[in-house]
Amino acid sequence: AQTVTQSQPEMSVQEAETVTLSCTYDTSESDYYLFWYKQPPSRQMILVIRQEAYKQQNATENRFSVNFQKAAKSFSLKISDSQLGDAAMYFCAYRMGMRFGAGTRLTVKP
Amino acid sequence: GAVVSQHPSWVICKSGTSVKIECRSLDFQATTMFWYRQFPKQSLMLMATSNEGSKATYEQGVEKDKFLINHASLTLSTLTVTSAHPEDSSFYICSAVGYRFPNSPLHFGNGTRLTVT
Repeated sequence: AQTVTQSQPEMSVQEAETVTLSCTYDTSESDYYLFWYKQPPSRQMILVIRQEAYKQQNATENRFSVNFQKAAKSFSLKISDSQLGDAAMYFCAYRMGMRFGAGTRLTVKP
Repeated sequence: GAVVSQHPSWVICKSGTSVKIECRSLDFQATTMFWYRQFPKQSLMLMATSNEGSKATYEQGVEKDKFLINHASLTLSTLTVTSAHPEDSSFYICSAVGYRFPNSPLHFGNGTRLTVT
């Protein structure tokens, strides 16, 4: 079975600074997708970024980028120029089977 | 973008009654829908995967007879909590994917907060 691990229950960042959220996963599959979702207090799940395992290039979406290390089964999310609106729960997810990590609560300090 | 509508957004029911939650894909055909449960300050726990026209696949530990899932059309899946008890109180979320799954991104409903008294 696939497992997804987020080892940082909470993270804090100063506004305009950069923060990295960690995620590791375990799978025996060779082709899969990884995702980062954001869940603000409204509890609506919002897709932040996704990575296809067969692509070596790290995905980037504006201020959000990933560091995907397939051999190490690591998939971290970097948020640059953090904004107050980035404060939320962030979940790493493994597509096949749709496994979610435990989540990281990100606080952005003004 | 693709929209998934989940209804109701909240419901209160008495112990022993059944509650139905609907998940609709409004502008795309959802070949697969997922149902999750989320406890306060916790992650989403996958309960079951449903494919249109076939029986749902339940995750280990999820009672099939308590959580009935029907995916009768390409735009609608329902989750029925039967004989609800207070311990079934939780936040339930659905998500849907289109025919290009697994290449399609997931589209989530806004969730349903169930309170069983």
